[in-house]
Parts: sequence; C-alpha cells; structure tokens
Amino acid sequence: EAQVTQNPRYLITVTGKKLTVTCSQNMNHEYMSWYRQDPGLGLRQIYYSMNVEVTDKGDVPEGYKVSRKEKRNFPLILESPSPNQTSLYFCASSPLETGELFFGEGSRLTVL
Amino acid sequence: AQSVAQPEDQVNVAEGNPLTVKCTYSVSGNPYLFWYVQYPNRGLQFLLKYITGDNLVKGSYGFEAEFNKSQTSFHLKKPSALVSDSALYFCAVRDTNAGKSTFGDGTTLTVKP
Repeated sequence: EAQVTQNPRYLITVTGKKLTVTCSQNMNHEYMSWYRQDPGLGLRQIYYSMNVEVTDKGDVPEGYKVSRKEKRNFPLILESPSPNQTSLYFCASSPLETGELFFGEGSRLTVL
Repeated sequence: AQSVAQPEDQVNVAEGNPLTVKCTYSVSGNPYLFWYVQYPNRGLQFLLKYITGDNLVKGSYGFEAEFNKSQTSFHLKKPSALVSDSALYFCAVRDTNAGKSTFGDGTTLTVKP
C-alpha cells in the first residue's frame, strides 16, 4: 500500500530534550516536506526537499533541522525543543512533475 | 512571496444544496493549485489540482474547482452537498519553478441535514 509513515504519532517531551520525528514514503517520490498545523494558522511549511541531499527552508524553519540521505526518508530533528514547538506535524511526499501531496497521519508533539 | 487566502473560516450549507469554498492566491510564476480535505483527527487527503489545461477541474467525491487567472482564484465547488462532506478544507499553491508550497488557513465546511 502506498503510504507516508510518521513516527512517533504522539510525543510529550520537555524543553531542551532533542527529538527526531521520522518520515518514510514507499512511493519513490522525489519531493518531501514537513508542515506544522496550528489552530487558525493552517499548515506552514518547515522544510522541503526536492531530491536526495537537497533541502530548503520553508516559511518556519527556525528551531528545526532536516536531512535527506535516502530518497525514502526525511526525518525532522528538534535539537532543543521549546514550548512554542508544540504542534501537530505532518510529513508529505509528492512526485515532482504532478505536485499533489500524500500526507502522513500526523505527529502530535507537546513540549512542556 | 507566494500566498493563499481563504476568506471564510466557516461555510454552512444544507444537505443537497450547492457549496462553494473560496480561495485566492498570489504567486510569481505559473501556479500549481490544489485542494485538500482533512477529516477530524486525520491527515490531509488530496482532492483535486490544476496544473494546466481546462480551467474547470474535477476531483474526488464529486468536487470540482474553477481556475480563474484574471481573478487569481481557485474556488472549490460541489453541486449537491452531503453531510459527509463536513470537514476542514485547505487550498494550496506551489510555484512550478520551486518547491515551496503555501497553504491557506483552512475553511471549515459544515453540511446540515
């Protein structure tokens, strides 16, 4: 089954404790991206990648890191989480030519 | 900078009536335009897209959208709403020459029986 898989789905952590949210897709898509969803603010793009070893900042990259060492994986790293990073995070992938995004189920992160 | 505006936070319609969810956009290059739907406690699902060609595009679940270049709009429509259409709808734009994608703030559609 074609899918985008994120882990963990739910996480409660404390300020400053490094964490990684993994994202993997099995559709051989070139494009991958991370978004955060906050009430009233829609989805805001954090980082995106148009191919292996190519990453670019979205609209809200501060406090986040990403890497794209393999085509299928695009982990999101929070080196020193803060409470303002409490949010619902979505990973997505798409073919470069057509652009429609396939989303993961989301990861709800709470930073205390 | 590109942007998307969904001017209505909430749209309420009666079942069986037509529905419209509005979207306007701003992008420097040629746009890819999308609509996505989010059901409660779920991820987002792709509904339809405009890349090129006919201005009226048809998508999943009977939805369609009309691309209007002069008005920079991409409104989502359905001739006859169902209660099961109740969800959060997002319009999105992606510049064809770049990877950045921008979403609107979302419109909550409520269809009442």
